[in-house]
Amino acid sequence: GESVGLHLPTLSVQEGDNSIINCAYSNSASDYFIWYKQESGKGPQFIIDIRSNMDKRQGQRVTVLLNKTVKHLSLQIAATQPGDSAVYFCAENSGGSNYKLTFGKGTLLTVNP
Amino acid sequence: GAGVSQSPSNKVTEKGKDVELRCDPISGHTALYWYRQSLGQGLEFLIYFQGNSAPDKSGLPSDRFSAERTGGSVSTLTIQRTQQEDSAVYLCAEESGSGTGELFFGEGSRLTVL
Repeated sequence: GESVGLHLPTLSVQEGDNSIINCAYSNSASDYFIWYKQESGKGPQFIIDIRSNMDKRQGQRVTVLLNKTVKHLSLQIAATQPGDSAVYFCAENSGGSNYKLTFGKGTLLTVNP
Repeated sequence: GAGVSQSPSNKVTEKGKDVELRCDPISGHTALYWYRQSLGQGLEFLIYFQGNSAPDKSGLPSDRFSAERTGGSVSTLTIQRTQQEDSAVYLCAEESGSGTGELFFGEGSRLTVL
């Protein structure tokens, strides 16, 4: 079946460095992608989204890049802070609707002071 | 999240018992979702409620799972005859209403089946 997966299950960076979290997707019909952040003991929080008619979208300290040719999604976090330490999930609307998201397994980001 | 409240936060039960998990989406948005998160895994879609439409139950893993939403607000997820593989965090979410895929999640109900 179609799925969303992550290249790196863990990522450790120094405070102030930039972080890049990668995600591969396999459903070519997906046209909407989202990144969520989940801190320990909490529910996921929306970070940023991107539609398939775009290849880049920027938010506050975050940038999402979409490469439809190789079905690859990445989340870049600038000047990573200790508060960015969390599990990051990419998700796609493989069900054809924004609500029925398929989530990847997540990448644990650890920011070292 | 935007006020999504779930209870209980933790539930330990014995195999074979029934459990009921509650979600109270305070904001009152019409769309409500249940997801399941097993240890170290991503989120797995379970069920979706949208207004008065028939719920999308396509993600429920077995007929032991059921969910209701009463009065367009509070929802309960019921698991009958629980099994150890049902152990997971069950997350409820509501749409932000922003027209994006932004969902406001509750903190989840952690279910442990012994």
